[in-house]
Amino acid sequence: AAGVIQSPRHLIKEKRETATLKCYPIPRHDTVYWYQQGPGQDPQFLISFYEKMQSDKGSIPDRFSAQQFSDYHSELNMSSLELGDSALYFCASSLKVTGNGYTFGSGTRLTVV
Amino acid sequence: QKEVEQNSGPLSVPEGAIASLNCTYSDRGSQSFFWYRQYSGKSPELIMFIYSNGDKEDGRFTAQLNKASQYVSLLIRDSQPSDSATYLCAFEDSSYKLIFGSGTRLLVRP
Repeated sequence: AAGVIQSPRHLIKEKRETATLKCYPIPRHDTVYWYQQGPGQDPQFLISFYEKMQSDKGSIPDRFSAQQFSDYHSELNMSSLELGDSALYFCASSLKVTGNGYTFGSGTRLTVV
Repeated sequence: QKEVEQNSGPLSVPEGAIASLNCTYSDRGSQSFFWYRQYSGKSPELIMFIYSNGDKEDGRFTAQLNKASQYVSLLIRDSQPSDSATYLCAFEDSSYKLIFGSGTRLLVRP
């Protein structure tokens, strides 16, 4: 079965650089979520999209932006990177009407040096 | 106070024992509850979801929900070393996003 695909798996950037993370949801899933997970912490909700429209926004810094495209893939753009942005970034997708939770991608490990 | 509270552990149990993981939540309007398993450096994996008061069983896993007490638990029977992971409790809020607890680290000793 198709899963949530994230790329890249690992990313190393320097401070003040820009990073773009990509997410391809499970086919026919209508909702995409982005989470950030620091070392030893629980996943923190960043932003979500439902049918290509932003549906909710969490603790996402102004330096970050995201969008969902016509093919339902989503990108998280992170600018002016800081050391504290180093974390695992997970994308998840769901079919909202089922209410059966969501499926996570394998994540992107971002290291800012 | 966090919206979802879990004991961080580690909870250490011997192989073959029952592991009991507990979670409390603050939002009385919550209807859907989830347990995810997360191995170190990996993504969370859905184990169980439960909507109704009572027990829900799936193989070695049983989820228990008590909405009056705002309490949800996960029992793992016949625990195996491969069950050693962090278990995240989550509920779905009014905008359908999942709110996670900090997780309980489970260690199953061979």
